[in-house]
Amino acid sequence: EDQVTQSPEALRLQEGESSSLNCSYTVSGLRGLFWYRQDPGKGPEFLFTLYSAGEEKEKERLKATLTKKESFLHITAPKPEDSATYLCAVRTNYGGSQGNLIFGKGTKLSVKP
Amino acid sequence: DTGVSQDPRHKITKRGQNVTFRCDPISEHNRLYWYRQTLGQGPEFLTYFQNEAQLEKSRLLSDRFSAERPKGSFSTLEIQRTEQGDSAMYLCASIGGEGLRPGQGAFFGQGTRLTVV
Repeated sequence: EDQVTQSPEALRLQEGESSSLNCSYTVSGLRGLFWYRQDPGKGPEFLFTLYSAGEEKEKERLKATLTKKESFLHITAPKPEDSATYLCAVRTNYGGSQGNLIFGKGTKLSVKP
Repeated sequence: DTGVSQDPRHKITKRGQNVTFRCDPISEHNRLYWYRQTLGQGPEFLTYFQNEAQLEKSRLLSDRFSAERPKGSFSTLEIQRTEQGDSAMYLCASIGGEGLRPGQGAFFGQGTRLTVV
């Protein structure tokens, strides 16, 4: 069964303290791995799509990387406004429909000033 | 604002009542998805439309749930005879057609928070 596991469940950082979030996946065939940011009471906000091992994407203080078994979201010198839940999702080979994403439970990030 | 709008943002209903939610996707997007999210969980896929055709339904979508997308524009999700277990955030997402790179990323609306009392 396709599965996405995110760790840690929660992460508390001091402002400026860099760290990484992990997303490990077990799928029959990966057609894309996605990172989203979700603020409380709001819908997920799209961040990155990664397609193949070795691929990297960057946006401001965030950098996403992908291997054959997992993805990392690296946060460099985080600020309090980076506090949110970060969701990882995968799209697999079968199912056919674009966007039928399987989500992990997310990592809740808190950045203290 | 992602361009995907959902209405209402919040709904409180009594158990046994019917509720209907609306989603307006990004206008040029032909693919529309419904997801459900409960507290502390990631979104779970419910159903998918390409234009007006409902192409896929999750086993989570019981007989009490029905979704439509008339004319391939907005979509509605109706829950009949609501139960307390239906309390969740219902999210709508849209993605563009073949011209966009596959997997570009579904754009989500702000969701409808349903509370069944």
